[in-house]
Amino acid sequence: RKEVEQDPGPFNVPEGATVAFNCTYSNSASQSFFWYRQDCRKEPKLLMSVYSSGNEDGRFTAQLNRASQYISLLIRDSKLSDSATYLCVVNVGTGGFKTIFGAGTRLFVKA
Amino acid sequence: EAQVTQNPRYLITVTGKKLTVTCSQNMNHEYMSWYRQDPGLGLRQIYYSMNVEVTDKGDVPEGYKVSRKEKRNFPLILESPSPNQTSLYFCASSPTPYEQYFGPGTRLTVT
Repeated sequence: RKEVEQDPGPFNVPEGATVAFNCTYSNSASQSFFWYRQDCRKEPKLLMSVYSSGNEDGRFTAQLNRASQYISLLIRDSKLSDSATYLCVVNVGTGGFKTIFGAGTRLFVKA
Repeated sequence: EAQVTQNPRYLITVTGKKLTVTCSQNMNHEYMSWYRQDPGLGLRQIYYSMNVEVTDKGDVPEGYKVSRKEKRNFPLILESPSPNQTSLYFCASSPTPYEQYFGPGTRLTVT
C-alpha cells in the first residue's frame, strides 16, 4: 500500500464546475500536509498548506482529518488555467524532513 | 531573482559512466532535497539535507550519493548509472521542510 494515495483521475470538468480531490495517508506520525500543483512535467509549486482547522485561499479550500488520515482539496468555479496535476504531500519523521508525494490527480478543465 | 538551478537540464549517458547533477539555490535555505519522478509513481525522495554536512536517505537512495559542503549547493552523484535510473530529477530547497521551492528538473536517460 502506498503511503500517500490519490485518485489518479483524470478529472474532466467544464469551466465553472466545483471539483474535489481526495487523498489518504497511512503514517499516523505524519506532521504536515500540503497540496502542490504541477503543470505538464514542470516543477511542482506549492498551492497551499493543509490544517486541521481547514484553510481557504480564494477558490481553493483544503481540509485535513487526522482521525481518518484524509486530506481534501476543493476547487470552486474552475478555470481553464486550473488544468494541471494536483499532488498531495505529507511530511513525516523526526523534524518532518522526509517528504512523501502522492502520485497526483490530473485535472482537465474544458471550455 | 530567488531561484533553484539545476544543471544539466537534459542528459543522455551510458550505463556505468559516472555523472553529477548540480543543484544550487540563492535563497540561503537550510533544507535541500532531491526527488525523482516516474510515470505512475509520482515524486519519490532520494536524499535530503537539513544543513551543511547533514544528509539523510529518503525513500529511494540506492544508486545515488549526495554531499552538502556548502549551504547553496547539493549535488546528486550517480557513481555507476543504470537504465532504471532514467527519470526526471528535481532538486528542491526550503527554509524549513514545509514549503519547498523546486528547480526546473533534469531529464536523465541512461542507455
